[in-house]
Amino acid sequence: DTAVSQTPKYLVTQMGNDKSIKCEQNLGHDTMYWYKQDSKKFLKIMFSYNNKELIINETVPNRFSPKSPDKAHLNLHINSLELGDSAVYFCASSHRQLTYNEQFFGPGTRLTVL
Amino acid sequence: DQQVKQNSPSLSVQEGRISILNCDYTNSMFDYFLWYKKYPAEGPTFLISISSIKDKNEDGRFTVFLNKSAKHLSLHIVPSQPGDSAVYFCAATTGNQFYFGTGTSLTVIP
Repeated sequence: DTAVSQTPKYLVTQMGNDKSIKCEQNLGHDTMYWYKQDSKKFLKIMFSYNNKELIINETVPNRFSPKSPDKAHLNLHINSLELGDSAVYFCASSHRQLTYNEQFFGPGTRLTVL
Repeated sequence: DQQVKQNSPSLSVQEGRISILNCDYTNSMFDYFLWYKKYPAEGPTFLISISSIKDKNEDGRFTVFLNKSAKHLSLHIVPSQPGDSAVYFCAATTGNQFYFGTGTSLTVIP
């Protein structure tokens, strides 16, 4: 069984469109994250949710909005897509009881904005 | 502001030899340091970690060393195997803040 899953795996869309990426974890973790890996392979945290509360909100454009309907899901909505949004987006989860707070990652969603 | 740096984008090692991957950081407040392994088209997978109060942690073929005075950590893989070929990310965390390096692509040559 997949621990952290993301859909879709690939997403190709036009500039200006609105799109969503879904993430689900079946690990019973209490915190979920979204990361962006850009063309330089830099993996940067965008958001995290703990018990439905946003606890990290890095300086990302407000066109990006995380939505968490429950502890097992953290979806990423992107409005008015721009060329620079092209990247691989990873969802991850963790639990405060883990010794090192290590994160479990999904397989990634490759977003291409044309 | 890159608080975790991996200055070697790639590394090639012969099978059976030791692989040493390096990582430098700037924030002395980091609590834990972690290494992740990533295969193409997959998400990073947690490999090994170390608390800031320790200087060494070993797990099978993998050992992580931490030098707090130099703000440097390294991952040793011995003996290296072809299946170890992947991108390795160093990460550091304090509270709910996570910072990743840009990764080192390791190739183990059979």
